[in-house]
Amino acid sequence: AQTVTQSQPEMSVQEAETVTLSCTYDTSENNYYLFWYKQPPSRQMILVIRQEAYKQQNATENRFSVNFQKAAKSFSLKISDSQLGDTAMYFCAFMKHGMRTGTASKLTFGTGTRLQVTL
Amino acid sequence: DTAVSQTPKYLVTQMGNDKSIKCEQNLGHDTMYWYKQDSKKFLKIMFSYNNKELIINETVPNRFSPKSPDKAHLNLHINSLELGDSAVYFCASSPRQGTATYEQYFGPGTRLTVT
Repeated sequence: AQTVTQSQPEMSVQEAETVTLSCTYDTSENNYYLFWYKQPPSRQMILVIRQEAYKQQNATENRFSVNFQKAAKSFSLKISDSQLGDTAMYFCAFMKHGMRTGTASKLTFGTGTRLQVTL
Repeated sequence: DTAVSQTPKYLVTQMGNDKSIKCEQNLGHDTMYWYKQDSKKFLKIMFSYNNKELIINETVPNRFSPKSPDKAHLNLHINSLELGDSAVYFCASSPRQGTATYEQYFGPGTRLTVT
């Protein structure tokens, strides 16, 4: 079974600064996907960024980037130029690659990191 | 034009009642899911359907029964509600694996409160 660990329950960052959220995971799978989801107070789950395990290049989406270390099973999220709207819970999630087309794979979530962006 | 919708968004009911939560997606996805988020914000898969077929059924009490009338809808029926069922329930959908995209898109959630 897969496990996802987020060791930082809460973090705080000042507006315009950079913050890194940590995530480690444990799996025996070789093909899988990793995600960061954001959950603002509205409780909507919003996909921030995704990474395919077979890709060595780290994914980036505007101010969001990841540091994917497959051997270390680490998948951290860096938020640059933090904005007040980034205040939210951030969840790291793992999904193994489906064995065949048409099969579903569940997301396994970490416990989340609550990020507060301050003025 | 909402991609994944759930009704109702809030549900307050008494112990012992039976209730349903509805989910619909207009993304043309083949797979739909139910997740439960508890009071500590932990999210866990409950069920998944692919083209109306149940393919993931985690350890969930029998009081919970998903129903998929077609691949665009996945409803969750809960019998004999208990206090511990209070949570936020999220519906999600994804295209079939093997296509270009595979991420799961979530609905707005339904906050269930059992009193």
